Amino acid sequence: GESVGLHLPTLSVQEGDNSIINCAYSNSASDYFIWYKQESGKGPQFIIDIRSNMDKRQGQRVTVLLNKTVKHLSLQIAATQPGDSAVYFCAENLGGNNRLAFGKGNQVVVIP
Amino acid sequence: DADVTQTPRNRITKTGKRIMLECSQTKGHDRMYWYRQDPGLGLRLIYYSFDVKDINKGEISDGYSVSRQAQAKFSLSLESAIPNQTALYFCATSEGRGDETQYFGPGTRLLVL
Repeated sequence: GESVGLHLPTLSVQEGDNSIINCAYSNSASDYFIWYKQESGKGPQFIIDIRSNMDKRQGQRVTVLLNKTVKHLSLQIAATQPGDSAVYFCAENLGGNNRLAFGKGNQVVVIP
Repeated sequence: DADVTQTPRNRITKTGKRIMLECSQTKGHDRMYWYRQDPGLGLRLIYYSFDVKDINKGEISDGYSVSRQAQAKFSLSLESAIPNQTALYFCATSEGRGDETQYFGPGTRLLVL
């Protein structure tokens, strides 16, 4: 699983600080977006989603913001913990056929 | 996610060999997908199936084939493995019917020598 993080942008964050991970998506017609977390040696895990009729959605310690004007998505993690160290990537639903396009991902490293 | 299982978890094979990766799910989802993941390239769709009778090519289907044996099972085959098929392979499922969230298995690490 370690090799997934090679060549990815890396965000180093102090434990307890907030993290912001950004994603630019490609298709202005995309109507659904998902953030996934991938820990070393594991498959991607669903974190939070948002539909295009919303600009903000909150979960437990996570918030997703959607700016359709500039086709930008962000994931905010509050009070980052060591267990948050992972690769995070966004996905967009390209249309009605349920196919997702995935971003390349961002590596988050939490410094204790 | 224990609801989606993949076998084997790791596989080493030689160029020219035929291999099969298997995926099973207990989520009751109709839709299943196979992806490969390479460093720096993200997840790329190989094949997907919306029900037992439905098979569709993804963006990188060349060199691969699939079989949807049942709602719960979707297997990926490499007819004649080549080194550039060395990658992480993930199976995923989704319910469809307005729920587009895909749930992933733990992955298969494949090395083709």
